Parts: sequence; structure tokens; C-alpha cells
Amino acid sequence: AQSVSQHNHHVILSEAASLELGCNYSYGGTVNLFWYVQYPGQHLQLLLKYFSGDPLVKGIKGFEAEFIKSKFSFNLRKPSVQWSDTAEYFCAVTEYNQGGKLIFGQGTELSVKP
Amino acid sequence: DAGVIQSPRHEVTEMGQEVTLRCKPISGHDYLFWYRQTMMRGLELLIYFNNNVPIDDSGMPEDRFSAKMPNASFSTLKIQPSEPRDSAVYFCASSFQGDSYGYTFGSGTRLTVV
Repeated sequence: AQSVSQHNHHVILSEAASLELGCNYSYGGTVNLFWYVQYPGQHLQLLLKYFSGDPLVKGIKGFEAEFIKSKFSFNLRKPSVQWSDTAEYFCAVTEYNQGGKLIFGQGTELSVKP
Repeated sequence: DAGVIQSPRHEVTEMGQEVTLRCKPISGHDYLFWYRQTMMRGLELLIYFNNNVPIDDSGMPEDRFSAKMPNASFSTLKIQPSEPRDSAVYFCASSFQGDSYGYTFGSGTRLTVV
């Protein structure tokens, strides 16, 4: 069965530090990849997505992610985090052209200290 | 657009009672998903619909859970009878043509069964 693994459960950074959150998936076929963010007490919002093309994807709020097919990875990055980036981040995967079943990783809680 | 609308936002009920959660997807979206979020299990896909038809309900935990989508603008998730272990945040999400355009999540219903 398809699964998504996020390496870190909780990351604590100071403002202006660089961020990289790891994500690996198990499915060997063609996949669509997503990162979602959930601010405290709020619903999930889409940060960025990858379907095809340039493996380096840019999203909102200065986030980007790189798809490395050989490593089954889709890591999220941001060069300089802000206190307002404190949230939980979810990596998610769907099988290409299968419509549904967005499978989420366990999430990584990011705490940014001012 | 008002987004995906869920009601109620919070629900506290006694064990054994019936609970009904409601979701109104974005107009024009043809996929609807129900997810459950807990600390222990993260985000779990319970069931999803395409054009009002249930496609995959393999995530529904047991027979106490049921979901319906009588028309394109309304879905319910019912738990009968409810148990304390059902306490969680339940999210509804909708999308157009599967994952092509990303999923839009509602604000969730926080269910507490005492």
C-alpha cells in the first residue's frame, strides 16, 4: 500500500534559519505530490504541488520543494523562516490520474522562535 | 466562493448518541473527501465520493460510521452509536477533476465524545 513518511515529528528553529522538511513516499509508479500547511486551529491549506515538469516547485510564502524521483523524495525548503511559519506541515501523495485518495504523512510540527 | 463549509464547528456528545457531521463542497467540484485527524493516527482518509457516488470507503473504521452524498452540494458523515475513541477533528475536502487542481479543505468539526 502507498504510504508517506515524514522524517521529523517536531522541528524547532530560530527566525531566519533555513528549513528543510523531509518527505518520502513508497509508491513506485507515477505520483502527484503536495505539501499542505495547517496553522494552529485552522484547516489545511495547499502550499505547493508537483505533477510533472521542473522538479523544483515554488509555492506560496517563499516555500519550495524538490522532487527527486530516484530517492522517492519531495522535501520542503525555505531559506529563512519567520515566526508566522509556526504550523504543522503535511506531505501528501496521490497516484497519477487516479483522482482521489490523497494519502498524508504524519505531519511535522514546526516551531519558530522569535 | 465561500469554500468548503462544515457544520457544526464543535460537537460534544455523550457516548452512545448519534452524531451527524455536515459538509457543503465548493460548487462545481466533483470529488468529496472525509478525513479524520487525531494525534495518534494523523490524517486518515475515511471515504470519498465522485459525482455523489462513494468510490472508496475502505478507511471507514467500522459499521458505526456511514456517509452519504444525496446531491452535489451536500454530504453527511454519521456515527451511531458514538464512542469516546471517535473524538477527533473531522475534515471534509472537495476537488475538481480529482487532484488536478488541489484539494480545498473545510475548517473541520471537532468532535468530543464523553
